[in-house]
Amino acid sequence: GQNIDQPTEMTATEGAIVQINCTYQTSGFNGLFWYQQHAGEAPTFLSYNVLDGLEEKGRFSSFLSRSKGYSYLLLKELQMKDSASYLCAVRDEKLTFGTGTRLTIIP
Amino acid sequence: DAGVIQSPRHEVTEMGQEVTLRCKPISGHNSLFWYRQTMMRGLELLIYFNNNVPIDDSGMPEDRFSAKMPNASFSTLKIQPSEPRDSAVYFCASRSGLAGTDTQYFGPGTRLTVL
Repeated sequence: GQNIDQPTEMTATEGAIVQINCTYQTSGFNGLFWYQQHAGEAPTFLSYNVLDGLEEKGRFSSFLSRSKGYSYLLLKELQMKDSASYLCAVRDEKLTFGTGTRLTIIP
Repeated sequence: DAGVIQSPRHEVTEMGQEVTLRCKPISGHNSLFWYRQTMMRGLELLIYFNNNVPIDDSGMPEDRFSAKMPNASFSTLKIQPSEPRDSAVYFCASRSGLAGTDTQYFGPGTRLTVL
C-alpha cells in the first residue's frame, strides 16, 4: 500500500519562498507528482519527478530523494494567486494522493 | 481542446435515490480515472479504466457504487441507493497512456449532496 504525509496547512508571505515537504512509504514507485488545487476547482499538474534531484519549472521546483522517500515543492517569489492546496501524489500503477497542504499567502 | 467534461456540475438528491455522474475524457486518452474528494479523506481513487476495461476497482467503497465505460469517449459512475455519507466532489480524470510521465488531466468535478 501507499502512505503519504504532508503538512496540513502552511502560511507564507508574498514575495517570499516556501517549501512544502512530502514523505512517502510505498510498495512500488514509478514517479512522484505535485498538483495544485484552488478552492472549488480541479487539481492541475505542476511537476513530475522519477529520478533523484531537482526539477525546475519557472517559480516552482520539485525535489526527489527515492532512498529517503522524500520530496519537496519549492515556490519562489510567492504571489497571492499561489494560495491553494498542493497535493503530493505517488504513482505505482495508479496515483495515490496525500491529503494536501493548504498554503495561504499573506501580504 | 475541451478538456475533461463532467456532468452535472452540481447534484442534490435525497437519500435512497439513484445518482449517475457522467464523464467525457479528452479525445485520444485511453486511461480514465474516477476520484472522490472529501475534507476528511482527501482525494481517493475509486476506479480506473484502460482502453475501456476496468483495471482496478479496489477503491470502490461498496456495492452501491458501479462504474462503466461503454466506449472510449464516455464513462458513468452510478450510486444506488445514495446515502448522505456519499456527499463529496467526484472528479473524473484522463491520461494518454501508462508511461510514467503521462499526466492526468482532471475534469471540473461534480459536487454531490445527498440529503
